[in-house]
Amino acid sequence: QVQLVQSGAEVKKPGSSVKVSCKASGGTLSRYAISWVRQAPGQGLEWMGGVIPLFGSESHAQKFQGRVTITADTSTSTVYMELSSLRSDDTAVYYCAREWTPGEFDYWGQGTLVTVSS
Amino acid sequence: EIVLTQSPGTLSLSPGERATLSCRASQSVSSSYLAWYQQKPGQAPRLLIYGASSRATGIPDRFSGSGSGTDFTLTISRLEPEDFAVYFCQQYGSSPWTFGQGTKVDIK
Repeated sequence: QVQLVQSGAEVKKPGSSVKVSCKASGGTLSRYAISWVRQAPGQGLEWMGGVIPLFGSESHAQKFQGRVTITADTSTSTVYMELSSLRSDDTAVYYCAREWTPGEFDYWGQGTLVTVSS
Repeated sequence: EIVLTQSPGTLSLSPGERATLSCRASQSVSSSYLAWYQQKPGQAPRLLIYGASSRATGIPDRFSGSGSGTDFTLTISRLEPEDFAVYFCQQYGSSPWTFGQGTKVDIK
């Protein structure tokens, strides 16, 4: 059974960066893409981007161009999402999710709350 | 990008009733790459349906999906107490993957 375990909640200042981790256990991480999806309080879901750990190839939504970096460390089965130039509207729960086929998210992490506040 | 519009925003029903949720896309979703997720408060979403009509592993057969092109439907044949939740549709036919705004199914 695949489990994705994310790092803990963060509180950040506007303009700073945050790096959230997602560690996989119980299966082979590297051949599946891992994506990041965020959810602002009381809002819907928003796909940010993803990476295929085996190849290190990253893709992301145009909205986050230049602000998001998604990387993978296959030796520890961990994927990282770094978001820079944080604003208050980046306050959200950030989820990692495995794509068993492109775009289909079958396993999800528990979510990481990132709060951006001065 | 493809915009998904879900209706209704809230559906108030009783256990045992049938729920019909709609998802309309701003342009055709290629190869019916449309999924449905269920989300309960404080939890991550759970994949219910992929490819518009295929149930994910472990999903009861009271959940069914249908549709193609721009119009898709999730049907819950007989609501169980654990089915009261928020449901999101998602397209993955063209990047960026996008989600609908959700339909909340609550107890009448």
